[in-house]
Amino acid sequence: DIVMTQSPLSLPVTPGEPASISCRSSQILLQSNGYNYLDWYVQKPGQSPQLLIYLASNRASGVPDRFSGSGSGIDFTLKISRVEAEDVGVYYCMQSLQAPLFTFGPGTKVDIK
Amino acid sequence: QVQLVQSGAEVKMSGASVKVSCKASGYTFTNYGITWVRQAPGQGLEWMGWISAYNGNTNYAQKLQGRVTMTTDTSTSTAYMELRSLRFDDTAVYYCARGPLRRWLQPNNDYWGQGTLVTVSS
Repeated sequence: DIVMTQSPLSLPVTPGEPASISCRSSQILLQSNGYNYLDWYVQKPGQSPQLLIYLASNRASGVPDRFSGSGSGIDFTLKISRVEAEDVGVYYCMQSLQAPLFTFGPGTKVDIK
Repeated sequence: QVQLVQSGAEVKMSGASVKVSCKASGYTFTNYGITWVRQAPGQGLEWMGWISAYNGNTNYAQKLQGRVTMTTDTSTSTAYMELRSLRFDDTAVYYCARGPLRRWLQPNNDYWGQGTLVTVSS
């Protein structure tokens, strides 16, 4: 099974400043078609998870452009260019290489300093 | 608009069964699968399994094999997740999400239900 790890697990942020979360997979998520099968989700307090990024770097519908995903192979990064108060929540990476079997990372809790 | 509406909270005795429903609307049900994910109190997201709404194929998490059954009713665009022999550590919020039919280049799990709290008590 693919194991996903994230760092940091807790990230205090200052509004207006950038933020970055790392995700590492135990297996290469890059396939011969050139796509990396890595998605990012956020779960805001009291809400269901919502998709942010799919295939490592594609923003889901309605996601603000301050969110970006990058990386390839086993190392991936989610960046928020300028954090807003509404961005607090827990961010999860998830491998979709083995779809429809998915594996989530442990989550990174983002809150305001 | 795409919506997934789940059934209400449940309280069950240890050893009992629970069946959670997830009614889809706003899209062609059989063009997608349904992913089931649960979240124990204060914990992260755990993938439970998946069902194809196209042909009923399933894929379950190894740790739940033998206790979980996922089904769909295409006439009502509703997915069901039944968990048997409930244990205290099955206490969690259970989510359904619009999933893929297979590994593909479209977004996965792009719409989620509101969650169903299942509490297992003695």
